[in-house]
Amino acid sequence: QSVLTQPPSVSAAPGQKVTISCSGSSSNIGNHYVSWYQQLPGTVPKLLIYDNNMRPSGIPDRFSGSKSGTSATLAITGLQTGDEADYYCGTWDSSLSAGVFGGGTELTVL
Amino acid sequence: EVQLVQSGAEVKKPGESLKISCKGSGYSFTNYWIGWVRQMPGKGLEWMAIINPDDSETRYSPSFQGQVTISADKSISTAYLQWSSLQASDTAMYYCATWMAGRERFDPWGQGTLVTVSS
Repeated sequence: QSVLTQPPSVSAAPGQKVTISCSGSSSNIGNHYVSWYQQLPGTVPKLLIYDNNMRPSGIPDRFSGSKSGTSATLAITGLQTGDEADYYCGTWDSSLSAGVFGGGTELTVL
Repeated sequence: EVQLVQSGAEVKKPGESLKISCKGSGYSFTNYWIGWVRQMPGKGLEWMAIINPDDSETRYSPSFQGQVTISADKSISTAYLQWSSLQASDTAMYYCATWMAGRERFDPWGQGTLVTVSS
């Protein structure tokens, strides 16, 4: 059972928008930066969003992140078939004195 | 370019020891923590441990404390993850990545080391 809770799967049609939630607590999301990672099938995870809502260079602005209280959200607009991947949220947990990931969300672009 | 290059795939028997490596280049190795992430077959990412290569301070996830040892040799810009007695349940892909302390993110990542433990 992951410390951060994500939906196991989400789906939407090409061109549509999808959101992926990441729920935590005051010991993690509530008081620490959240990052998001994209793992395309068979590849290495890649940083997608950092500091709650910042994109590394090269990441399209179709990807955005937000945080409110003890939850964070990843939004993807203008969905493309190439966006089909597993998405993970991550942060630090003060109670554990360790980092944590969400369980991951599989995105299907129908 | 910041790059992390991991050692190759390993096939081991239960009870054997193992040490895998992760060599950093393109940046000052002692300026950033470095850590390890486990991904078991068909499963999600699990945060294992991080180390500050400058002073060898470590942080372990409670799930992995006592199960693995993280270390680093700053003279050769290399971090390690080791097991004293492997189990079949250690079969997984292991990624190293640079950890941005205080900003709570892993970036960039190594290419991964597949560890298979089977009798």
